[in-house]
This record gives sequence, structure tokens and C-alpha cells, in this order.
Amino acid sequence: DAGVTQSPTHLIKTRGQHVTLRCSPISGHKSVSWYQQVLGQGPQFIFQYYEKEERGRGNFPDRFSARQFPNYSSELNVNALLLGDSALYLCASSSGANTGELFFGEGSRLTVL
Amino acid sequence: AQSVSQHNHHVILSEAASLELGCNYSYGGTVNLFWYVQYPGQHLQLLLKYFSGDPLVKGIKGFEAEFIKSKFSFNLRKPSVQWSDTAEYFCAVMATSGTYKYIFGTGTRLKVLA
Repeated sequence: DAGVTQSPTHLIKTRGQHVTLRCSPISGHKSVSWYQQVLGQGPQFIFQYYEKEERGRGNFPDRFSARQFPNYSSELNVNALLLGDSALYLCASSSGANTGELFFGEGSRLTVL
Repeated sequence: AQSVSQHNHHVILSEAASLELGCNYSYGGTVNLFWYVQYPGQHLQLLLKYFSGDPLVKGIKGFEAEFIKSKFSFNLRKPSVQWSDTAEYFCAVMATSGTYKYIFGTGTRLKVLA
């Protein structure tokens, strides 16, 4: 069975640009959440979506947005990139909104120059 | 606000040594507790979880953790580590109401010497 897949795996952007990261959950999972992991830190919660609705938002600026599609895949968008947005962005899926266990993808490593 | 503290950032052990990684959380309500592990070059994966019931939970690869409610702690233990346990370990808390978001600790890098 395919796990959580994320694309792209690596990308380089410059300040002020926009980026879109994509995530496909495990088949049958209806919840997708996004995390930012900066080097030396644990993953920081950005968003959770369940059944295409936003169920939670972390302490990130409005430059960060996300959505979930009818097939439960998800996109994370970041506008007006800053150097500090350089990080590993992790997507995780779970079968329900609060069923606990998260299944993580490999992540998308974003470098902002 | 919720927070998770992992006291040890780097741990180096020899094979067969015992392991205990500390985790304390701050939250006034009911939580679910987790330990995730990230082996070199791999993605984060669940090691073990506590939802309710017996506060001593067992996970994969011989790991266990004990939930002590009065201490807001969920320490991870293994009696005898192996070289293959070299990884980064993250403690995480999920509130059982509200946004259900996970809060992760900063992680502990474990290196086991053969």
C-alpha cells in the first residue's frame, strides 16, 4: 500500500516568491495535517483538514494557507516567502479527525534564498 | 498553552545499555500521548501511544513508556538498546478536545555505539 506521498521533495525559492506543496494521504484517510520542521526542532503544527474543512490552525501568519480536495489530497501554499520559511514541511494523514496516530510523508524541503 | 519538553537533546549509549528519555507536557485537560521515531533517512513513524487505561504502554521494538498523570510525564524506556535504535525520538501530545492538534517536543537524538 502506498504511504503518504509529498511533492516536490526538494525545492529552492527566493524571497517574495510563492510555493505550493502537495500531499496525497493514505487511501481511506480523510484527515490531512501539515507541519513545519525547522532544523533542531520538532514539527510545528500548521493546519489540519478533515473532510475538506479546516479543523485546526497553528500559530502561523496568513501567508500560509491550505486546502483539501474531494479526493482528500491537500495543498499547502505559502506566499511572500521569507528566509525563515526555509524548513522541512511534513504532511501527515490519519483516518479520522482525532483518531490519534499520524502517518507521515517524507516531507518537502524548502530552501528560501 | 500546551507545551512538550524533552529534557535530553543528545544521548549517546553503548549497546545493551538501558535507555530512558524524559518527556513532560503542560496542558490542563485530557490528552493522548505519543512517541514517534525517525530513523536516519526515513520518515517519522509511531513508536507507541497512550490513550487511556494501563499507564504502562508497550510499543514496537521493545520500547515502553509510562504515563504518570501527577507528574505530567510520559517517559520512554528500553532495557537494552541496540545499534539499530540510533534515531531521533519525539514525544507528542494531542488534546482530546478543541483543535486536536499535535504538539511535539524538540526531539532527542540517540546514538548507540556498537
